[in-house]
Amino acid sequence: DAGITQSPRHKVTETGTPVTLRCHQTENHRYMYWYRQDPGHGLRLIHYSYGVKDTDKGEVSDGYSVSRSKTEDFLLTLESATSSQTSVYFCAISERLIGPYYEQYFGPGTRLTVT
Amino acid sequence: TQLLEQSPQFLSIQEGENLTVYCNSSSVFSSLQWYRQEPGEGPVLLVTVVTGGEVKKLKRLTFQFGDARKDSSLHITAAQPGDTGLYLCAGARGSGTYKYIFGTGTRLKVLA
Repeated sequence: DAGITQSPRHKVTETGTPVTLRCHQTENHRYMYWYRQDPGHGLRLIHYSYGVKDTDKGEVSDGYSVSRSKTEDFLLTLESATSSQTSVYFCAISERLIGPYYEQYFGPGTRLTVT
Repeated sequence: TQLLEQSPQFLSIQEGENLTVYCNSSSVFSSLQWYRQEPGEGPVLLVTVVTGGEVKKLKRLTFQFGDARKDSSLHITAAQPGDTGLYLCAGARGSGTYKYIFGTGTRLKVLA
């Protein structure tokens, strides 16, 4: 258990509304990630963070922004939700295994439905 | 571009049978991880392999990293209904990297 919580766990919203998902971790991990999981696509990286106020884009970042003002919180914002953003969103942290190698641990997920 | 191909995509077997799931790529990875995911939950890390040719065992699960670090396999001996789930592999490229590429998964169902 890497001490990762996500909120909300479920959300239904309307097209065009802003939505913010929160990821909270309790173990001071430097690296945090947001993924989306869709049938046929597996897990795809949206954005990641390598420290407070240090973030970068993943492979499917269009329509999403992130912020990390504290080590423990990583926020994902959909500025204007679209139906194509209906998905399950997972937050993850990366923890050093040994030497240069890291392991990822995932939160429980947020199921977002955009109607 | 999907860099990690998993096969088979779906697998339904009887309790007690053996099975192997494959994770293949044309790219070299510095490390590779296997996860199991159950419905409504996040992926749970099973193992990380970092050395070409490495074999790791976790009870009835055996993981192997290919010599060329481009592929991996997961073998389950005497499968049980509790092994049912989505199995995902994920590769990290470059040492010290903290970004991962995921395969599309193998959905396993073990029938009692």
